[in-house]
Amino acid sequence: EPEVTQTPSHQVTQMGQEVILRCVPISNHLYFYWYRQILGQKVEFLVSFYNNEISEKSEIFDDQFSVERPDGSNFTLKIRSTKLEDSAMYFCASRTRATWAGFEQFFGPGTRLTVL
Amino acid sequence: DAKTTQPTSMDCAEGRAANLPCNHSTISGNEYVYWYRQIHSQGPQYIIHGLKNNETNEMASLIITEDRKSSTLILPHATLRDTAVYYCIVHQGAQKLVFGQGTRLTINP
Repeated sequence: EPEVTQTPSHQVTQMGQEVILRCVPISNHLYFYWYRQILGQKVEFLVSFYNNEISEKSEIFDDQFSVERPDGSNFTLKIRSTKLEDSAMYFCASRTRATWAGFEQFFGPGTRLTVL
Repeated sequence: DAKTTQPTSMDCAEGRAANLPCNHSTISGNEYVYWYRQIHSQGPQYIIHGLKNNETNEMASLIITEDRKSSTLILPHATLRDTAVYYCIVHQGAQKLVFGQGTRLTINP
């Protein structure tokens, strides 16, 4: 069964460093999302991406964040200068466009980002 | 903010049916009710969704009241692996998912 994959599973970085989190969505999906979950807190929406552009972003997704679909298969989240408060699990999700298939989003296993 | 209200936690005996309620009194006509679950630190997993009719799939059943202001997710024969946080979410189309705190369901042996 197709699934969303994410790499790395755990990333440790120093404050101020740039990190890139990678996701491979399900191959026929057209909508892509990033969410994050700080330990013990709710899952929070960061950004949605469709047709090679951001369709919606949250207040969390400031100028330090960017997303890209560089090669038609990968979907990346870049944090330019990490802060301690960026430590969280980051989940990528994707969904198909076909309305008959519903709007359910399929999530990857997450990347645990630890900023020291 | 999430548009749904769920109990914080529930317990259920293994092998019994787990019934998880959700209130969504402000749901609009084109919004669906979706259920996801999150097993400890894993990515959320889609379970089932519905608009106004009851739905059943291999994982669960979804019962939506006639006025659509509430729903119940039913896991017919709960197993230990069903221990998770269950999220009831109302949304439409390609919108972002807005997660609340969900219901922490514990299946006891």
